[in-house]
Amino acid sequence: DAGITQSPRHKVTETGTPVTLRCHQTENHRYMYWYRQDPGHGLRLIHYSYGVKDTDKGEVSDGYSVSRSKTEDFLLTLESATSSQTSVYFCAISEVDTQYFGPGTRLTVL
Amino acid sequence: KNEVEQSPQNLTAQEGEFITINCSYSVGISALHWLQQHPGGGIVSLFMLSSGKKKHGRLIATINIQEKHSSLHITASHPRDSAVYICAASVNTGNQFYFGTGTSLTVIP
Repeated sequence: DAGITQSPRHKVTETGTPVTLRCHQTENHRYMYWYRQDPGHGLRLIHYSYGVKDTDKGEVSDGYSVSRSKTEDFLLTLESATSSQTSVYFCAISEVDTQYFGPGTRLTVL
Repeated sequence: KNEVEQSPQNLTAQEGEFITINCSYSVGISALHWLQQHPGGGIVSLFMLSSGKKKHGRLIATINIQEKHSSLHITASHPRDSAVYICAASVNTGNQFYFGTGTSLTVIP
């Protein structure tokens, strides 16, 4: 599993509240990713990071921000959660052309 | 247009059947990946291949670079093979990935 953990694993929140999801890795990988997974869609990239303080947007970045102040932690923030952000969120790292995924966070926005 | 297309979307098979899932891609790849996701579970990597064929137990993955097509085969399918199988293409020296929408496989005893 490449030492990837996500927290929380499940969260229910209300529309308009801020939410932060955490991805933690233990093996010093440079590249980290946040995806969302929804029925009828493949995994869609939200943001990714290629180093400490180095991040870039993916295809569905609107409404999300990220931060990476340490190699091991990649944070995803929903500044003001909306119902359309109800989804399963996966963090991933890449190593030698392969991605390894965290266990996922199921987020429900009411 | 999706960079990675999979077929079929859903597949039901009887235990013991030979199963094929197809993947076509339109981008130049550094590698093609097959992933497995069990219901409610995480995503694990089954294969990474850039040419030819790979085999792991009852699973076989093939790729035809000229036709931009890959297949995942499962021989002697078993109910524990029931899962979503996802095809993904890595580009840009492996740090950018495109994903198919997945094939949901159900194997009936």
